[in-house]
Amino acid sequence: KAGVTQTPRYLIKTRGQQVTLSCSPISGHRSVSWYQQTPGQGLQFLFEYFSETQRNKGNFPGRFSGRQFSNSRSEMNVSTLELGDSALYLCASSLSRREDTQYFGPGTRLTVL
Amino acid sequence: TQLLEQSPQFLSIQEGENLTVYCNSSSVFSSLQWYRQEPGEGPVLLVTVVTGGEVKKLKRLTFQFGDARKDSSLHITAAQPGDTGLYLCAGAHNYGQNFVFGPGTRLSVLP
Repeated sequence: KAGVTQTPRYLIKTRGQQVTLSCSPISGHRSVSWYQQTPGQGLQFLFEYFSETQRNKGNFPGRFSGRQFSNSRSEMNVSTLELGDSALYLCASSLSRREDTQYFGPGTRLTVL
Repeated sequence: TQLLEQSPQFLSIQEGENLTVYCNSSSVFSSLQWYRQEPGEGPVLLVTVVTGGEVKKLKRLTFQFGDARKDSSLHITAAQPGDTGLYLCAGAHNYGQNFVFGPGTRLSVLP
């Protein structure tokens, strides 16, 4: 069974631009969570989607948004990029809600110049 | 504010040595997880503990959840270079809530 895939793996943007990251969960998994990982703040929870609905949201500004499609694939969008948004963005999927085992993808490394 | 603290932050040891890393909080957790993350990869779940005082073993790795469910430790026996990575603990306060991650312990095992 294929693991969680994230595209693109690397991305370079400039301040003020927007970016969309994609996550394909493991087949059959319906819950997708997004995290931001930086050296200073560690791994921080962004949001969780289940059955196309946002179930939990972390403490991030409204510039960070996401959605989930009927096939459980998820996208996250960051608008008006800031230098501090440079990070590794990780997606994790699980069979149902977040208390199940989460399987992480390799992440998308975003650099904002 | 880090709700979960991990120590040490960095650890470099020789192959064959034993080590223990710690995860501490002032909060009680309903469950706690340990992950290992290798460069260029996402974290991989090693274990989930839910009962105070619980001890779980995974080959050379021993995980313990504190009696009060506020802390946990990971002990590695006879470390190998393949154990190198970032060890993260993550705790959930209540069922269904998102897990909060600690800052991690970066382990380097030298051959």
